[in-house]
Amino acid sequence: NAGVMQNPRHLVRRRGQEARLRCSPMKGHSHVYWYRQLPEEGLKFMVYLQKENIIDESGMPKERFSAEFPKEGPSILRIQQVVRGDSAAYFCASSLAGGLTYNEQFFGPGTRLTVL
Amino acid sequence: AQKVTQAQTEISVVEKEDVTLDCVYETRDTTYYLFWYKQPPSGELVFLIRRNSFDEQNEISGRYSWNFQKSTSSFNFTITASQVVDSAVYFCALSEARNNNDMRFGAGTRLTVKP
Repeated sequence: NAGVMQNPRHLVRRRGQEARLRCSPMKGHSHVYWYRQLPEEGLKFMVYLQKENIIDESGMPKERFSAEFPKEGPSILRIQQVVRGDSAAYFCASSLAGGLTYNEQFFGPGTRLTVL
Repeated sequence: AQKVTQAQTEISVVEKEDVTLDCVYETRDTTYYLFWYKQPPSGELVFLIRRNSFDEQNEISGRYSWNFQKSTSSFNFTITASQVVDSAVYFCALSEARNNNDMRFGAGTRLTVKP
């Protein structure tokens, strides 16, 4: 059973370009979470999605960032018009369920975004 | 609000020494989960342990042990007889049962084990 997959593992963008980060959850998992890790810091929650729904985006910057988890295909974290401060590692996690019932989050290997 | 504090930013030890990484947490929830993750230089997150708030029993796994003390809101991690391969950043994290979508991570402790 493959774990959480993220691609690309490394992404380089110039300022002003768009970055698209993909996350394929573990088989059978319908809940996806995105976290950002700035250099020398811990991970910070960004957004929680179920298939076709955003459940909690309280950690997501209000502008330039968006996330989706379509019925078919991976979850996408999109960053428009990237700036140098967006350089970070972006981790995706998935769980079997979510909400009030505890379900362990399994983390992917992360995508390292570098903005030149 | 939930919060995790790892006061030790960096620790350096010599191989075979024991080392303890501190973690102090804050939560208003009575049901919560505590975690430790290892992040080696390659960057991925390696799950080490999960503890729920009702289980204060300490745990030992090989050279790793964890001391959970609800009275002091601490969940410390000890590596016995450290090895160079233990060099990594270690994160403590907290997840509240009523909002387990949002795992809160500490800032991490960078452990360097010198030969």
